[in-house]
Amino acid sequence: SYVLTQPPSVSVAPGQTARITCGGNNIGSKSVHWYQQKPGQAPVLVVYDDSDRPSGIPERFSGSNSGNTATLTISRVEAGDEADYYCQVWDSSSDHPKVVFGGGTKLTVL
Amino acid sequence: QVQLVESGGGLVKPGGSLRLSCAASGFTFSDYYMSWIRQAPGKGLEWVSYISSSGSTIYYADSVKGRFTISRDNAKNSLYLQMNSLRAEDTAVYYCARVFDPAGYFDYWGQGTLVTVSS
Repeated sequence: SYVLTQPPSVSVAPGQTARITCGGNNIGSKSVHWYQQKPGQAPVLVVYDDSDRPSGIPERFSGSNSGNTATLTISRVEAGDEADYYCQVWDSSSDHPKVVFGGGTKLTVL
Repeated sequence: QVQLVESGGGLVKPGGSLRLSCAASGFTFSDYYMSWIRQAPGKGLEWVSYISSSGSTIYYADSVKGRFTISRDNAKNSLYLQMNSLRAEDTAVYYCARVFDPAGYFDYWGQGTLVTVSS
């Protein structure tokens, strides 16, 4: 089965840039989606189809995807960005497609 | 605006059953695929099941196949998850989510309902 690997944690100072990676075999051939989840809340979509942003998501959030790594980049990090972030793809390699989530990355704003 | 409201969670003994519901509003429910996703306490997200807009196509995670059944009633704008033979490891917050396209992303999520499996 397809596996997505994320670092458990990333720390960054306010105003700096945070990069959260999502590794998978030839992930560049898939569409990657990213979710933000704050404590006690449901996940919120922040990037879809590798690099597109839903309406209402700040331009500070961007994404890229190539080779074996997808990356969520958060520029000019704010305290309110502190949350867990999850990447997601569809694994269509079998006759029963499955949704796959990464293990999640806790972003800490120092 | 799009709203998804789950209900039906609670405490159940191992081996027991529970039926979750998700009431949808603010969009044409019958146009969209829907999914259930769960999150065990302190853990990450785990996809559970997926149903097409008409209900004709259904997929399950291996961890719940044969025990859980997803269904929908488009006339009632509702999504369901029948959970049988529950195990301690099924303890989680269960979210319903709208699928933007058949193999895409989850653009709206409910607030979740907690299922606790314990004796």
